[in-house]
Amino acid sequence: EAGVVQSPRYKIIEKKQPVAFWCNPISGHNTLYWYRQNLGQGPELLIRYENEEAVDDSQLPKDRFSAERLKGVDSTLKIQPAELGDSAVYLCASSGGRARETQYFGPGTRLLVL
Amino acid sequence: AQSVTQLGSHVSVSEGALVLLRCNYSSSVPPYLFWYVQYPNQGLQLLLKYTTGATLVKGINGFEAEFKKSETSFHLTKPSAHMSDAAEYFCAVGAPGGNEKLTFGTGTRLTIIP
Repeated sequence: EAGVVQSPRYKIIEKKQPVAFWCNPISGHNTLYWYRQNLGQGPELLIRYENEEAVDDSQLPKDRFSAERLKGVDSTLKIQPAELGDSAVYLCASSGGRARETQYFGPGTRLLVL
Repeated sequence: AQSVTQLGSHVSVSEGALVLLRCNYSSSVPPYLFWYVQYPNQGLQLLLKYTTGATLVKGINGFEAEFKKSETSFHLTKPSAHMSDAAEYFCAVGAPGGNEKLTFGTGTRLTIIP
């Protein structure tokens, strides 16, 4: 069974530029999460989807961050414009099925904003 | 509200020695508890989880953890450390029944001394 797929793995951009990250969850998983992991910290939730509905986006900085999961499968997280403080690892996770409390993580996208 | 405290941001043990990584949690509801491991430039991999039932849970790679409600703890142990155990370990707490967000600790970096 394929795991959570993310791309790109690394991204370097200049501040004020836009950037987008893509995630494909494990097949059949209805719940998709985007987390941000700052250096030396644990992941923090940005947004959670149930199918195509964003059910928890309370920690998403909505002035510059947006996300979508149009068909309830893969998802895109966008930052526009990026700031220096956005440098972090962006992790996607999914859960579903009988053990829906277990989140499976992708390898992450490491973003560096210069 | 939920929170996790991991005591010791860095732990070093000799190869073959006992590994003990400490985790204390705070939760207003019966918690689901998780340990994840993160190798360099990779996502998080589930080691083990506690949801209900037996309080001593066994995970992959010889790790186990014990849920102690009276101490609000979920410490991770392994009887004999191996060089391949060197990684970052994260304790996380979630709400029961669900697929809601996980709240992570700040992580413990485990170093194995040959």
